[in-house]
Amino acid sequence: GQQLNQSPQSMFIQEGEDVSMNCTSSSIFNTWLWYKQDPGEGPVLLIALYKAGELTSNGRLTAQFGITRKDSFLNISASIPSDVGIYFCAGQPRGGTSYGKLTFGQGTILTVHP
Amino acid sequence: GAGVSQSPSNKVTEKGKDVELRCDPISGHTALYWYRQSLGQGLEFLIYFQGNSAPDKSGLPSDRFSAERTGGSVSTLTIQRTQQEDSAVYLCASSLGRTQETQYFGPGTRLLVL
Repeated sequence: GQQLNQSPQSMFIQEGEDVSMNCTSSSIFNTWLWYKQDPGEGPVLLIALYKAGELTSNGRLTAQFGITRKDSFLNISASIPSDVGIYFCAGQPRGGTSYGKLTFGQGTILTVHP
Repeated sequence: GAGVSQSPSNKVTEKGKDVELRCDPISGHTALYWYRQSLGQGLEFLIYFQGNSAPDKSGLPSDRFSAERTGGSVSTLTIQRTQQEDSAVYLCASSLGRTQETQYFGPGTRLLVL
Protein backbone atom coordinates (compact mmCIF):
# COMPACT_ATOMS: atom_id res chain seq x y z
CA GLY A 1 0.00 0.00 0.00
CA GLN A 2 0.87 3.66 -0.19
CA GLN A 3 3.51 4.84 2.30
CA LEU A 4 5.09 8.10 3.16
CA ASN A 5 8.80 8.56 2.53
CA GLN A 6 10.36 8.99 5.97
CA SER A 7 14.03 9.74 6.62
CA PRO A 8 16.43 8.93 8.02
CA GLN A 9 15.72 5.25 8.58
CA SER A 10 17.88 5.23 11.71
CA MET A 11 19.89 7.59 13.87
CA PHE A 12 22.60 7.02 16.48
CA ILE A 13 23.21 10.08 18.61
CA GLN A 14 24.76 11.13 21.89
CA GLU A 15 22.62 12.22 24.80
CA GLY A 16 22.04 15.97 24.64
CA GLU A 17 22.14 16.23 20.86
CA ASP A 18 19.25 17.49 18.77
CA VAL A 19 17.46 15.22 16.29
CA SER A 20 15.56 15.97 13.11
CA MET A 21 13.50 13.66 10.93
CA ASN A 22 11.09 14.32 8.09
CA CYS A 23 8.41 12.86 5.87
CA THR A 24 7.38 13.60 2.32
CA SER A 25 4.44 12.43 0.26
CA SER A 26 3.19 12.67 -3.30
CA SER A 27 -0.32 13.13 -1.90
CA ILE A 28 -1.84 16.01 0.03
CA PHE A 29 -2.89 15.29 3.59
CA ASN A 30 -5.34 17.17 5.77
CA THR A 31 -3.55 16.23 8.98
CA TRP A 32 -0.01 15.22 9.84
CA LEU A 33 0.74 13.18 12.94
CA TRP A 34 3.90 12.02 14.67
CA TYR A 35 3.88 8.84 16.77
CA LYS A 36 6.46 7.08 18.92
CA GLN A 37 6.51 3.30 19.36
CA ASP A 38 8.35 1.52 22.16
CA PRO A 39 9.21 -2.20 21.88
CA GLY A 40 6.17 -4.41 22.38
CA GLU A 41 3.79 -1.47 22.47
CA GLY A 42 1.44 0.27 20.08
CA PRO A 43 2.28 3.75 18.73
CA VAL A 44 1.59 6.71 20.99
CA LEU A 45 0.67 10.10 19.55
CA LEU A 46 3.26 12.83 20.13
CA ILE A 47 2.08 15.77 18.05
CA ALA A 48 -0.84 16.46 15.70
CA LEU A 49 -0.79 19.15 13.00
CA TYR A 50 -3.98 20.37 11.35
CA LYS A 51 -3.07 23.45 9.28
CA ALA A 52 -0.57 23.99 6.48
CA GLY A 53 2.39 25.94 7.84
CA GLU A 54 1.50 25.14 11.45
CA LEU A 55 4.42 24.85 13.86
CA THR A 56 3.62 23.03 17.11
CA SER A 57 5.70 22.23 20.18
CA ASN A 58 5.24 19.65 22.91
CA GLY A 59 8.03 19.95 25.46
CA ARG A 60 11.29 19.16 23.69
CA LEU A 61 9.43 18.17 20.52
CA THR A 62 8.66 20.55 17.65
CA ALA A 63 6.87 19.62 14.46
CA GLN A 64 5.76 21.52 11.37
CA PHE A 65 3.07 20.91 8.74
CA GLY A 66 4.54 21.83 5.35
CA ILE A 67 2.99 24.63 3.28
CA THR A 68 2.39 22.28 0.37
CA ARG A 69 0.58 19.78 2.68
CA LYS A 70 2.93 17.12 1.36
CA ASP A 71 5.61 17.13 4.04
CA SER A 72 6.31 17.45 7.75
CA PHE A 73 9.31 17.40 10.06
CA LEU A 74 9.88 16.52 13.72
CA ASN A 75 12.68 17.93 15.85
CA ILE A 76 13.72 16.62 19.26
CA SER A 77 15.97 18.90 21.26
CA ALA A 78 18.43 17.89 23.96
CA SER A 79 17.82 14.16 23.56
CA ILE A 80 17.71 11.87 26.59
CA PRO A 81 17.98 8.07 26.83
CA SER A 82 14.21 7.60 27.11
CA ASP A 83 13.79 9.13 23.65
CA VAL A 84 14.93 5.77 22.25
CA GLY A 85 12.29 4.16 20.08
CA ILE A 86 10.78 4.19 16.62
CA TYR A 87 9.21 7.42 15.39
CA PHE A 88 6.53 7.34 12.72
CA CYS A 89 4.96 10.10 10.70
CA ALA A 90 1.39 9.59 9.54
CA GLY A 91 -0.86 11.46 7.15
CA GLN A 92 -4.63 11.62 7.30
CA PRO A 93 -6.59 12.42 4.14
CA ARG A 94 -9.63 14.61 3.73
CA GLY A 95 -13.12 13.24 4.39
CA GLY A 96 -15.16 10.64 2.54
CA THR A 97 -15.04 6.93 3.27
CA SER A 98 -11.32 7.12 3.99
CA TYR A 99 -11.53 9.68 6.77
CA GLY A 100 -9.53 8.63 9.78
CA LYS A 101 -7.45 6.20 7.70
CA LEU A 102 -3.80 6.87 8.42
CA THR A 103 -0.94 6.35 5.99
CA PHE A 104 2.34 5.74 7.85
CA GLY A 105 5.97 6.35 7.05
CA GLN A 106 8.48 3.52 7.38
CA GLY A 107 9.73 4.81 10.72
CA THR A 108 12.96 6.28 12.10
CA ILE A 109 14.78 4.15 14.66
CA LEU A 110 16.40 6.42 17.24
CA THR A 111 19.24 5.24 19.48
CA VAL A 112 20.59 7.58 22.15
CA HIS A 113 23.96 6.81 23.73
CA PRO A 114 24.36 8.06 27.32
CA GLY B 1 -8.14 -0.76 31.94
CA ALA B 2 -9.01 2.45 30.11
CA GLY B 3 -6.97 1.80 26.97
CA VAL B 4 -7.42 -0.33 23.88
CA SER B 5 -6.79 -3.98 24.63
CA GLN B 6 -5.99 -6.79 22.22
CA SER B 7 -5.82 -10.54 22.59
CA PRO B 8 -3.96 -12.73 22.32
CA SER B 9 -0.73 -10.79 22.73
CA ASN B 10 1.14 -13.49 20.83
CA LYS B 11 -0.08 -16.23 18.50
CA VAL B 12 1.91 -18.97 16.83
CA THR B 13 0.05 -21.05 14.28
CA GLU B 14 0.71 -23.49 11.50
CA LYS B 15 0.35 -22.59 7.86
CA GLY B 16 -3.20 -23.27 6.68
CA LYS B 17 -4.88 -22.79 10.04
CA ASP B 18 -7.42 -20.05 10.77
CA VAL B 19 -6.78 -17.41 13.45
CA GLU B 20 -8.97 -14.88 15.23
CA LEU B 21 -7.61 -11.68 16.71
CA ARG B 22 -9.66 -9.64 19.13
CA CYS B 23 -9.77 -5.91 19.85
CA ASP B 24 -11.56 -4.17 22.72
CA PRO B 25 -11.70 -0.43 21.99
CA ILE B 26 -11.92 2.36 24.50
CA SER B 27 -15.45 2.62 25.85
CA GLY B 28 -17.48 5.15 23.88
CA HIS B 29 -15.21 5.17 20.83
CA THR B 30 -17.32 4.63 17.73
CA ALA B 31 -14.48 4.34 15.23
CA LEU B 32 -12.17 1.32 15.15
CA TYR B 33 -9.22 0.62 12.87
CA TRP B 34 -7.06 -2.41 12.13
CA TYR B 35 -3.47 -1.99 10.93
CA ARG B 36 -0.71 -4.48 10.14
CA GLN B 37 2.96 -3.89 10.91
CA SER B 38 5.52 -6.14 9.25
CA LEU B 39 9.03 -6.41 10.65
CA GLY B 40 10.89 -3.13 10.26
CA GLN B 41 8.00 -1.49 8.42
CA GLY B 42 5.44 1.18 9.10
CA LEU B 43 1.83 0.43 9.75
CA GLU B 44 -0.40 -0.66 6.87
CA PHE B 45 -4.13 0.17 7.04
CA LEU B 46 -6.45 -2.84 6.80
CA ILE B 47 -10.02 -1.85 7.65
CA TYR B 48 -12.06 0.87 9.38
CA PHE B 49 -15.33 0.54 11.30
CA GLN B 50 -17.79 3.27 12.16
CA GLY B 51 -20.13 1.63 14.61
CA ASN B 52 -20.75 -1.87 13.29
CA SER B 53 -20.35 -1.02 9.63
CA ALA B 54 -17.12 -0.96 7.64
CA PRO B 55 -17.14 1.90 5.12
CA ASP B 56 -13.52 1.24 4.16
CA LYS B 57 -12.20 -2.31 3.67
CA SER B 58 -9.71 -1.25 1.04
CA GLY B 59 -6.64 -2.40 2.97
CA LEU B 60 -7.58 -6.07 3.42
CA PRO B 61 -4.85 -7.89 1.45
CA SER B 62 -6.96 -10.83 0.25
CA ASP B 63 -10.31 -12.54 0.72
CA ARG B 64 -8.70 -14.68 3.43
CA PHE B 65 -8.95 -11.62 5.67
CA SER B 66 -12.23 -10.53 7.20
CA ALA B 67 -13.33 -8.49 10.18
CA GLU B 68 -16.50 -7.83 12.06
CA ARG B 69 -17.63 -5.62 14.87
CA THR B 70 -20.59 -6.29 17.10
CA GLY B 71 -22.48 -4.03 19.48
CA GLY B 72 -20.38 -1.10 18.36
CA SER B 73 -17.60 -2.37 20.58
CA VAL B 74 -15.46 -5.52 20.24
CA SER B 75 -13.98 -6.33 16.85
CA THR B 76 -12.55 -9.59 15.54
CA LEU B 77 -10.08 -9.87 12.67
CA THR B 78 -10.09 -13.34 11.12
CA ILE B 79 -7.40 -14.72 8.87
CA GLN B 80 -8.32 -17.96 7.11
CA ARG B 81 -5.82 -20.48 5.77
CA THR B 82 -2.89 -18.52 7.15
CA GLN B 83 0.27 -18.12 5.09
CA GLN B 84 3.81 -17.36 6.26
CA GLU B 85 3.59 -13.86 4.78
CA ASP B 86 0.74 -13.14 7.20
CA SER B 87 3.29 -13.09 10.04
CA ALA B 88 3.23 -9.56 11.47
CA VAL B 89 2.01 -7.46 14.35
CA TYR B 90 -1.69 -6.65 14.04
CA LEU B 91 -2.60 -3.37 15.72
CA CYS B 92 -6.02 -2.05 16.58
CA ALA B 93 -6.85 1.60 17.24
CA SER B 94 -10.00 3.41 18.27
CA SER B 95 -11.16 7.00 18.26
CA LEU B 96 -14.23 8.99 19.17
CA GLY B 97 -15.16 8.79 15.51
CA ARG B 98 -15.25 12.36 14.35
CA THR B 99 -12.78 13.59 11.76
CA GLN B 100 -9.33 14.41 13.17
CA GLU B 101 -9.99 12.64 16.46
CA THR B 102 -6.86 11.03 17.93
CA GLN B 103 -6.48 7.31 17.32
CA TYR B 104 -5.37 5.37 20.39
CA PHE B 105 -3.54 2.14 19.67
CA GLY B 106 -3.56 -1.16 21.50
CA PRO B 107 -0.36 -3.14 22.17
CA GLY B 108 -0.92 -5.41 19.17
CA THR B 109 -1.05 -9.15 18.52
CA ARG B 110 2.18 -10.70 17.29
CA LEU B 111 1.28 -13.41 14.80
CA LEU B 112 3.82 -15.98 13.66
CA VAL B 113 2.82 -18.46 10.97
CA LEU B 114 5.15 -21.46 10.77
